[in-house]
Order: sequence, then structure tokens, then C-alpha cells
Amino acid sequence: AQSVTQLDSHVSVSEGTPVLLRCNYSSSYSPSLFWYVQHPNKGLQLLLKYTSAATLVKGINGFEAEFKKSETSFHLTKPSAHMSDAAEYFCVVRANSGGYQKVTFGIGTKLQVIP
Amino acid sequence: DAGVTQSPTHLIKTRGQQVTLRCSPKSGHDTVSWYQQALGQGPQFIFQYYEEEERQRGNFPDRFSGHQFPNYSSELNVNALLLGDSALYLCASSFMGSANSPLHFGNGTRLTVT
Repeated sequence: AQSVTQLDSHVSVSEGTPVLLRCNYSSSYSPSLFWYVQHPNKGLQLLLKYTSAATLVKGINGFEAEFKKSETSFHLTKPSAHMSDAAEYFCVVRANSGGYQKVTFGIGTKLQVIP
Repeated sequence: DAGVTQSPTHLIKTRGQQVTLRCSPKSGHDTVSWYQQALGQGPQFIFQYYEEEERQRGNFPDRFSGHQFPNYSSELNVNALLLGDSALYLCASSFMGSANSPLHFGNGTRLTVT
């Protein structure tokens, strides 16, 4: 079984303040974990990925995420929010098993950045 | 290196009609997945194609069908369109041989059914 829980459907921060978007997962396999960002009417853009190397993963646009196996978490952070960060963010788990890719999306977190 | 390309970008159809959406995967990718994203919702998995076969399917009716070609490109067909089929349809490609290969998404096709 595999699941992803994004703990907040909406997050609101002021410009210049830190961002924390939370994600917990479960998987019967050794999964890879990803964060994607989606701006309105656009496809999903890969922010970063965890693939069992370093537990602290740096992505694009100043985002990073830390994989914590003991907590089954993969929270996304950014030290200082920018107006252009306002978008929807999806946490995604992927595992390969027997020629099948099992991909599970979280429900998404809408990030609002207040000027 | 072209990423995932989808066509058309927008489409308007009438209830009961049929539609075909197309996707070219990123170079080097051999697996194509299709997702439906209704307004304000997350992507919902429709199906995945690998080696020209449907490998997995989400909870979608048989009106939704697909195909993968030898060059790895793919089509999504929807028959007997309903108003509820209005959504952004996203194609994602990846490489089956690597568990670390992320999904790469196209910009989607916006389908409106009237």
C-alpha cells in the first residue's frame, strides 16, 4: 500500500518569511519522493526529488526538503517566500515494483504569499 | 532537448462527441501516464502505457482509452463526452528502468465540454 498526506490544503505566508509545506507518506517499497509546483493553468514542474542519497535535498527556486525516514516525512521549506512562489504544491511518492510504476499524489497545498 | 509536449492546448467539444489528445514524451523516456485534473483538484491517474501496453489503470470508465506508439508517443481517447469530462488533461513521461526517474509533465490540454 502507498499513500501521501499533505497536512495543509492552504498555507498563507507573508513575503520574505519562511515557507513550510508538510508531507507524510507511507509505502511498502523503497520509494522515491518528489515535490512539484503548479502555477494556474500550467503543467506540473519538478521542484526536487529524493532518491535515497542525501536526506536533505535542494531544489530549484531556493526550495529544499528533508527526508526523515523515522517520521515518514518529506516537508518542503524555503527560507524566504517570494510573490512568485504563490502556486499549488504537490508531494508525490513513486515506487517501482514488477514492471509497474506506482505513483501517488497528495491532494495539494495552495500557497498564498501576502505582500 | 524537448520536454513533454501535448496537443492541442485547448479544445472545446459538445456532449456525446469523441476527442483525441496527443502526447510526445521527453527524449529518453519510455513510459507515458495520463492524468485528469478537474478545476481546483489534484491530478487523478487515468492510465499508464509502457511497451505499447496499458499497464495500470485508475478508476475511469471504458470511455477513456489510449494507445502508445513504437516511438513512445501516446494518445488519450475519450468517447461519449460528458460535461464532467471538462478538465485539464496532463501527460507525464518517465523512464521505467529507473526508480529514480521523476515524472516530467507537459503543460496539458484544457478540454471544455459544452
